[in-house]
Amino acid sequence: AQSVTQLDSQVPVFEEAPVELRCNYSSSVSVYLFWYVQYPNQGLQLLLKYLSGSTLVKGINGFEAEFNKSQTSFHLRKPSVHISDTAEYFCAVSDPNTGNQFYFGTGTSLTVIP
Amino acid sequence: EPEVTQTPSHQVTQMGQEVILRCVPISNHLYFYWYRQILGQKVEFLVSFYNNEISEKSEIFDDQFSVERPDGSNFTLKIRSTKLEDSAMYFCASSVGQGGTDTQYFGPGTRLTVL
Repeated sequence: AQSVTQLDSQVPVFEEAPVELRCNYSSSVSVYLFWYVQYPNQGLQLLLKYLSGSTLVKGINGFEAEFNKSQTSFHLRKPSVHISDTAEYFCAVSDPNTGNQFYFGTGTSLTVIP
Repeated sequence: EPEVTQTPSHQVTQMGQEVILRCVPISNHLYFYWYRQILGQKVEFLVSFYNNEISEKSEIFDDQFSVERPDGSNFTLKIRSTKLEDSAMYFCASSVGQGGTDTQYFGPGTRLTVL
């Protein structure tokens, strides 16, 4: 089975500063990669996904992520964060060879400091 | 924008009691899922459902769990005899196509507390 590691459980960052949230996954076979965001009292919302093609993926709210197959990573970045980006961020992986389920990391809590 | 809804938002129950968690997936979606997140741990897959039957389930989804789509809109998760370790946030999700490639849309979750 796949496993996903989000090394940083909490990331505080000042407003307008850049941020990178790290995600590593276990398998080197073809996988699909996703980042979800959860705002307080809301469901998981898709930020972006990588299925194939360009390794740099752009998502909503100015976020982007880069797929690095050799390092089995899919780090999420934003060049300038806003207060409204304060939320929990989840990296997820699916392996089309093993079924429909998503494998999630433990999440990273991003706090943007004014 | 269509969204997945879940009720209740918080459920408190006594150990050994049965609970039913309810979800209304997005209306044109065909695949439905339940996940759970124990506090401080990963979001874990429980089960996927398609064409009125379970298509995939994890080791967590034992005989105490069942899912049902009783009508054209609801998707339920039943836990027959709750244990303390069932306390978690339960997320419902749905997708148009197979979830491996198609985006899964998640509800806000139901927090289950077993006393």
